[in-house]
Amino acid sequence: KQEVTQIPAALSVPEGENLVLNCSFTDSAIYNLQWFRQDPGKGLTSLLLIQSSQREQTSGRLNASLDKSSGRSTLYIAASQPGDSATYLCAVDEYGNKLVFGAGTILRVKS
Amino acid sequence: EAGVAQSPRYKIIEKRQSVAFWCNPISGHATLYWYQQILGQGPKLLIQFQNNGVVDDSQLPKDRFSAERLKGVDSTLKIQPAKLEDSAVYLCASSSLGPIHEQYFGPGTRLTVT
Repeated sequence: KQEVTQIPAALSVPEGENLVLNCSFTDSAIYNLQWFRQDPGKGLTSLLLIQSSQREQTSGRLNASLDKSSGRSTLYIAASQPGDSATYLCAVDEYGNKLVFGAGTILRVKS
Repeated sequence: EAGVAQSPRYKIIEKRQSVAFWCNPISGHATLYWYQQILGQGPKLLIQFQNNGVVDDSQLPKDRFSAERLKGVDSTLKIQPAKLEDSAVYLCASSSLGPIHEQYFGPGTRLTVT
């Protein structure tokens, strides 16, 4: 059974700092991996999707990497801003379109 | 392009009552998902439809939860009777049948059972 773990559970950083969020999964037979952002009381916004054949994806200040063999992904946020404060969720897509989520990392960027 | 729509946004009911949630996916998306997100946890898949057929409902508590997707478009999720532990956010998502099948999520319905 696939299990997804996110570390740390919560993170508080000053504005401008670069930071890394970690995601690990137990079964490397995945189709792709997605990082989502969730604001309080809102749904999920997709940030980056990495297909199983890719090593990384970039969007603006965000960079996500994928190492399938070790069951790990990282989300790197450069020059963090208070508007980045949210919960970040990692999810792996098992064949069949089923997403298995981690519990998330709650990020607070202080101004 | 309109996103995934859900209603209501919030619902408060007493235990043993029934409740229904509605979802309208992105136009043209064949696959629709219902997830349950309990506070402090990641979303958990309840049921997946492709067009109006069920692909996966292995984690749906079928003694109290039911879902349907008529005509392969809109979907409803029903809970009857509700229990305290059903308090959660219910998220609907949709995806196309293309090779990437990225999922797009609606704003969710926050259910409180008292």
